[in-house]
Amino acid sequence: QKEVEQNSGPLSVPEGAIASLNCTYSDRGSQSFFWYRQYSGKSPELIMFIYSNGDKEDGRFTAQLNKASQYVSLLIRDSQPSDSATYLCAVAGANNLFFGTGTRLTVIP
Amino acid sequence: GAVVSQHPSWVICKSGTSVKIECRSLDFQATTMFWYRQFPKQSLMLMATSNEGSKATYEQGVEKDKFLINHASLTLSTLTVTSAHPEDSSFYICSAGQGWSNQPQHFGDGTRLSIL
Repeated sequence: QKEVEQNSGPLSVPEGAIASLNCTYSDRGSQSFFWYRQYSGKSPELIMFIYSNGDKEDGRFTAQLNKASQYVSLLIRDSQPSDSATYLCAVAGANNLFFGTGTRLTVIP
Repeated sequence: GAVVSQHPSWVICKSGTSVKIECRSLDFQATTMFWYRQFPKQSLMLMATSNEGSKATYEQGVEKDKFLINHASLTLSTLTVTSAHPEDSSFYICSAGQGWSNQPQHFGDGTRLSIL
């Protein structure tokens, strides 16, 4: 059973700051990693996925993967109040995704 | 692309009623779909993996006779909550991927089920 760990938060950052969300996983053989955003009362939506070590940037979002240390992170630059949500880290297994419990982010105007 | 549609979005019904929830992949074929349940302020809980043309695989602790899953085509999976009771009230979400497990899963909008 894969384990995916996230700090539940809440994480509070001021508007315009960088929000850093971290995730660790137990299976060293994991190859695919995903970040989802879930607003309260809504279903998760995919933000980014990353397969290779290093950084992957998409707009204000940067995913970072370090397979040797078994962690994946998500950076949100120029945080906006609309970024306030729960962010879920997911790691692919053979047939499904294993989710962390999510980190609740609050961006303070 | 990769749109997953879930219907209905909200159901309120009396205890003892059976409720069917549909999950459709609109622009791709999904041999596997997933059903999750989420209670307020809690994380996603995988209930079962729905496999097209075969029986669903249920997670430990999920009653297969209570939560009936049918995946009759490559674009449709249904979850039926049989004889629902208030403790079954939850947010039910389906997801589907376009290919192998290393591909992202895309979620439906979820169904909020309230049993009176």
